[in-house]
Amino acid sequence: SAVISQKPSRDICQRGTSLTIQCQVDSQVTMMFWYRQQPGQSLTLIATANQGSEATYESGFVIDKFPISRPNLTFSTLTVSNMSPEDSSIYLCSVGLQAGYEQYFGPGTRLTVT
Amino acid sequence: DAKTTQPTSMDCAEGRAANLPCNHSTISGNEYVYWYRQIHSQGPQYIIHGLKNNETNEMASLIITEDRKSSTLILPHATLRDTAVYYCIVRRHGGSQGNLIFGKGTKLSVKP
Repeated sequence: SAVISQKPSRDICQRGTSLTIQCQVDSQVTMMFWYRQQPGQSLTLIATANQGSEATYESGFVIDKFPISRPNLTFSTLTVSNMSPEDSSIYLCSVGLQAGYEQYFGPGTRLTVT
Repeated sequence: DAKTTQPTSMDCAEGRAANLPCNHSTISGNEYVYWYRQIHSQGPQYIIHGLKNNETNEMASLIITEDRKSSTLILPHATLRDTAVYYCIVRRHGGSQGNLIFGKGTKLSVKP
């Protein structure tokens, strides 16, 4: 398994601003992912963070709104840009030790946009 | 990836076995059955996965029917800390991406 930390754990932001969420893993991992969980809903994959190249986004998510970086095998960031109240969600980082196998999730970042 | 169907909610008495069913009638031969759970305000936690044989680990047992169209997650002695939403997910291994597709899951309430 892997130990995953996220910063910040929660934040309250104003409309129109941006927030960058950090995900740190205690060991090198092959796969890193970012998910969103809207209030009362299940998790939805935003993108796969690729080390050294552009992230792969799922349908409905775009790089301009959710830019992602992954400079190495233990760290990734997700930025939520030009926020609106609809972006209020929990954002979760997950990692996979091998492609397609079990994933381990961070504790999440609870974002409220006012 | 195949779709899964789970009951919306279930109750279980503390100390008793919790049996959580999952239907995945369109599962293909190379797809695995995964179970995760999400305790309130935490990230999802991996529980167990299997292909065709029954599996057991320190957390739970996974029983997969012979035709693989359904499965049951068993928590042998449920505690209050097992109260969570349980997700059954069917997916292939390998490939360039490993994303999990979460359904609505089963909300398990363990009661004293």
